[in-house]
Amino acid sequence: GQNIDQPTEMTATEGAIVQINCTYQTSGFNGLFWYQQHAGEAPTFLSYNVLDGLEEKGRFSSFLSRSKGYSYLLLKELQMKDSASYLCAVSDSGGGADGLTFGKGTHLIIQP
Amino acid sequence: DAEITQSPRHKITETGRQVTLACHQTWNHNNMFWYRQDLGHGLRLIHYSYGVQDTNKGEVSDGYSVSRSNTEDLPLTLESAASSQTSVYFCASSDRPAGGPAEQFFGPGTRLTVL
Repeated sequence: GQNIDQPTEMTATEGAIVQINCTYQTSGFNGLFWYQQHAGEAPTFLSYNVLDGLEEKGRFSSFLSRSKGYSYLLLKELQMKDSASYLCAVSDSGGGADGLTFGKGTHLIIQP
Repeated sequence: DAEITQSPRHKITETGRQVTLACHQTWNHNNMFWYRQDLGHGLRLIHYSYGVQDTNKGEVSDGYSVSRSNTEDLPLTLESAASSQTSVYFCASSDRPAGGPAEQFFGPGTRLTVL
């Protein structure tokens, strides 16, 4: 089985930086995904890590440490539109053929 | 543009009725998935398919079935709806490009209420 933990809710200020952590315990591992989900909408893909280290994509970066079972999503220059839930998900076969196991999501609130 | 659609977007039904939720994608993806999303649980995998005539059970498959007769569609059937199946249902699809991550694309969701 797989267990994925992330904080339930976080609050940050517009223009600032926020880091959302995710820890996982899995029987197998073939990649970690981050998705963004606005209220009432579908999840949308943000990033994917399969090797240790940092992946940067504009204002968003994601880090992975496989030995520690740990990842984080870093959001810079926060904007009001970044208010959403952020979902950490693990795959044990690259997230392609097999489904993903999701954490419960972190609800991020951006304040002016 | 390629897309993934779900219908209906909202459905109210009664306990014991059979319900089918439709999912249609035009990316020609081999892999398709059904998830349900509930407060306090996050997204949980119900069934998935690698291709035509292939179906597999996920974490919470009891009371649900799927069939894959073509690449584009993966309908989800609730054989006898129960109040515990009140949820938001998301369909997703993916492919596996050489050397790249297999991003899953999600449909807009179906909100199902079982009374």
